[in-house]
Amino acid sequence: EVQLVESGGGVVRPGGSLRLSCAASGFTFDDYGMSWVRQAPGKGLEWVSGINWNGGSTGYADSVKGRFTISRDNAKNSLYLQMNSLRAEDTALYHCARDGRLWFGIHGLDVWGKGTTVTVSS
Amino acid sequence: QSALTQPASVSGSPGQSITISCTGTSSDVGGYNYVSWYQQHPGKAPKLMIYDVSNRPSGVSNRFSGSKSGNTASLTISGLQAEDEADYYCSSYTSSSHVVFGGGTKLTVL
Repeated sequence: EVQLVESGGGVVRPGGSLRLSCAASGFTFDDYGMSWVRQAPGKGLEWVSGINWNGGSTGYADSVKGRFTISRDNAKNSLYLQMNSLRAEDTALYHCARDGRLWFGIHGLDVWGKGTTVTVSS
Repeated sequence: QSALTQPASVSGSPGQSITISCTGTSSDVGGYNYVSWYQQHPGKAPKLMIYDVSNRPSGVSNRFSGSKSGNTASLTISGLQAEDEADYYCSSYTSSSHVVFGGGTKLTVL
């Protein structure tokens, strides 16, 4: 079964850091680009970041650029999101999602994890 | 990086057809054939319904179809069913090598 399982969410104070992980199974992980998408409570979807198949190319939403870093370990079938300088507006459910063949941003996000919740509050 | 523009809500009766629009710019919707549509039921993860403007993933009903004209993409659902009631989001690849989502449309089946 194709599956993505996120972990690492929690409650953190403003200015703090968190590292999210996403474990992939059931497909050849390094054949695909991957993305992180978040959804604030009661709000819409927001693309956060994407990475191509070998980690050589990444992209970030303006709202997180310079604070978040996406990475992947193909040997461990895992995707990561390092989040620094967290703000209240980063509070959301964070999903990892399988992107297009080799690249990110194209051909749609066809497999989604259930998400991990990040709450930034003092 | 402005969000794509979708109507906040649409409604229709069972059996009818509805269309949800998604308006962007020449730097996103109008510039690439990489528009996708997602369905999200409350408390669930989004589900890909349409990719590359008009392609349906395996398993998605052919009642769902997509199209694009200029800077506006559209999702049409024909033969509306109760289970279609959900939030729908469009997304597009952008000239900045990013992805931008629409604000979402709540579909109510009357």
